[in-house]
Amino acid sequence: GAVVSQHPSWVICKSGTSVKIECRSLDFQATTMFWYRQFPKQSLMLMATSNEGSKATYEQGVEKDKFLINHASLTLSTLTVTSAHPEDSSFYICSARGEGDGYTFGSGTRLTVV
Amino acid sequence: QKEVEQDPGPLSVPEGAIVSLNCTYSNSAFQYFMWYRQYSRKGPELLMYTYSSGNKEDGRFTAQVDKSSKYISLFIRDSQPSDSATYLCAMSAGSGGYQKVTFGTGTKLQVIP
Repeated sequence: GAVVSQHPSWVICKSGTSVKIECRSLDFQATTMFWYRQFPKQSLMLMATSNEGSKATYEQGVEKDKFLINHASLTLSTLTVTSAHPEDSSFYICSARGEGDGYTFGSGTRLTVV
Repeated sequence: QKEVEQDPGPLSVPEGAIVSLNCTYSNSAFQYFMWYRQYSRKGPELLMYTYSSGNKEDGRFTAQVDKSSKYISLFIRDSQPSDSATYLCAMSAGSGGYQKVTFGTGTKLQVIP
């Protein structure tokens, strides 16, 4: 089946720094990838839809200047959390749809901002 | 009202029991239904997906969709301790890769040996 690889699996950074999270589709091409955020004991909240070769579409309430998304190729999308603050600490997950399958998720990135 | 409602649980059952997990939805546009299993601190893992009303079976798992009632279910037969996880229902208006997916809040299941 379709595989989505996400790195890093966890990261700790200082407040004010930026963190980049990568999401790769390993055995299929993904024109569209999705970025989610998940707080403890809560469901996945869609942050943005990443489209290859064009600007991402952000959900209401998500700061596009803070969460920079780049989808430069059909197999790679990146999410950069800029000037991270402790309230940005969360579990970030990407997803894409492979042929014939449901949406496949990366393994997630746990971000802790100290 | 949320578009997708799911009882968060937790749900505790003895090993070997049949588990029933359910979601209701309000958006008639939803046509594509999925169930995911998520272990702690991991990304969700797709269990089953279906387009149509009726039942779909895969091993110990059966997904059931009733579009007229806007109600979907996941049944787990002969539940095992390894089934202990959070189960998320998900749905979208279509199966195109660009379609947004809406998730339920997840039901935490614990299977007791």
